[in-house]
Amino acid sequence: GQNIDQPTEMTATEGAIVQINCTYQTSGFNGLFWYQQHAGEAPTFLSYNVLDGLEEKGRFSSFLSRSKGYSYLLLKELQMKDSASYLCAPMDSNYQLIWGAGTKLIIKP
Amino acid sequence: GAVVSQHPSWVICKSGTSVKIECRSLDFQATTMFWYRQFPKQSLMLMATSNEGSKATYEQGVEKDKFLINHASLTLSTLTVTSAHPEDSSFYICSAPTGQNEKLFFGSGTQLSVL
Repeated sequence: GQNIDQPTEMTATEGAIVQINCTYQTSGFNGLFWYQQHAGEAPTFLSYNVLDGLEEKGRFSSFLSRSKGYSYLLLKELQMKDSASYLCAPMDSNYQLIWGAGTKLIIKP
Repeated sequence: GAVVSQHPSWVICKSGTSVKIECRSLDFQATTMFWYRQFPKQSLMLMATSNEGSKATYEQGVEKDKFLINHASLTLSTLTVTSAHPEDSSFYICSAPTGQNEKLFFGSGTQLSVL
């Protein structure tokens, strides 16, 4: 079956760095997306990885290891506005995104 | 960047009535649109894939007659919740890809409350 595993909740301090891990099992693979979702709002795109390695985009970086079925999202210089849920979503062979429940990130001053 | 417009943002209705939610791609053509439902603190659940000019593809467990989807043009898909009941209260979100493996652009979502 298809499965996404990421921590339910994480807490970090403003200004710090946090890494959100995601392991996945899908029928085929066409890349992995990370989305940010604030409470009561629709998700917004953060990153897309299709090849192994690290993609850096400002304060956010995303890493992928296809052989391990593993990805992480790295957030640097955390700001209070980064408090949100972070959704790891691999794309299967039918180009369908598989959604996990997301990781709720709480930023403390 | 591409924009997807969804409205209404929120709607309150009486049990037994029908509610229509619109999803528009504003600056690109979307042959496919996705409709999701999200309950509080839960993941996005794909309800159906809307295909322009043909019937929608529904996920297992989603009632076709209850959640009517129409994708009449390349920029508009609608979801109608028929005979809504309190258990249909949820956050409904549409999205559209700009390509086969391109990122999704999401509408702003519709919070439906059925009394």
